[in-house]
Amino acid sequence: AQSVSQHNHHVILSEAASLELGCNYSYGGTVNLFWYVQYPGQHLQLLLKYFSGDPLVKGIKGFEAEFIKSKFSFNLRKPSVQWSDTAEYFCAVNSNYGGATNKLIFGTGTLLAVQP
Amino acid sequence: GAGVSQSPSNKVTEKGKDVELRCDPISGHTALYWYRQSLGQGLEFLIYFQGNSAPDKSGLPSDRFSAERTGGSVSTLTIQRTQQEDSAVYLCASSLMTGYTFGSGTRLTVV
Repeated sequence: AQSVSQHNHHVILSEAASLELGCNYSYGGTVNLFWYVQYPGQHLQLLLKYFSGDPLVKGIKGFEAEFIKSKFSFNLRKPSVQWSDTAEYFCAVNSNYGGATNKLIFGTGTLLAVQP
Repeated sequence: GAGVSQSPSNKVTEKGKDVELRCDPISGHTALYWYRQSLGQGLEFLIYFQGNSAPDKSGLPSDRFSAERTGGSVSTLTIQRTQQEDSAVYLCASSLMTGYTFGSGTRLTVV
């Protein structure tokens, strides 16, 4: 079955620490990959997305993600986190492979808490 | 409007009652999605409408859940005979091509 896995459910970091959140998917064929962020009390916002081309994608607020096709991964990174990065982060994938509709499937999310 | 609008923002209902949740997508967006967000469960896909095609209902958890999209625009998600496990935030998103915009959600509490 098509699925998206985020293995880190809860991450606690100090300010200025580096961040890497894992995301793996189990889809065949061509995929589109997304990271969304949900700040406390706010709605989902797009951080970055990958459709094709350079597998290293730059997003807003200093975030980036690297698509590694051989590993079915799309990990999110930030070199130095800030307290304002405290939020829940969701990886999402869609694919038209095998006749699947273009629906966006999400991972279970990673709750990031940055301590000042 | 500029974004995806959902109403009501909060809904408290008694177990066994029916509820209707509304989504106004961005004008011109051909695709509309409903998701359910529960604590620790991430975002669970419920249903997807694309233009005039038959909707993808594969994510609806039971036959108590149904959704309509009238005139290719506004959508209503209906939950019949609500149960406590239906308590969650119900999110709507619309898209054109592959850009998705989410609404703020409806927080449903079944007591």
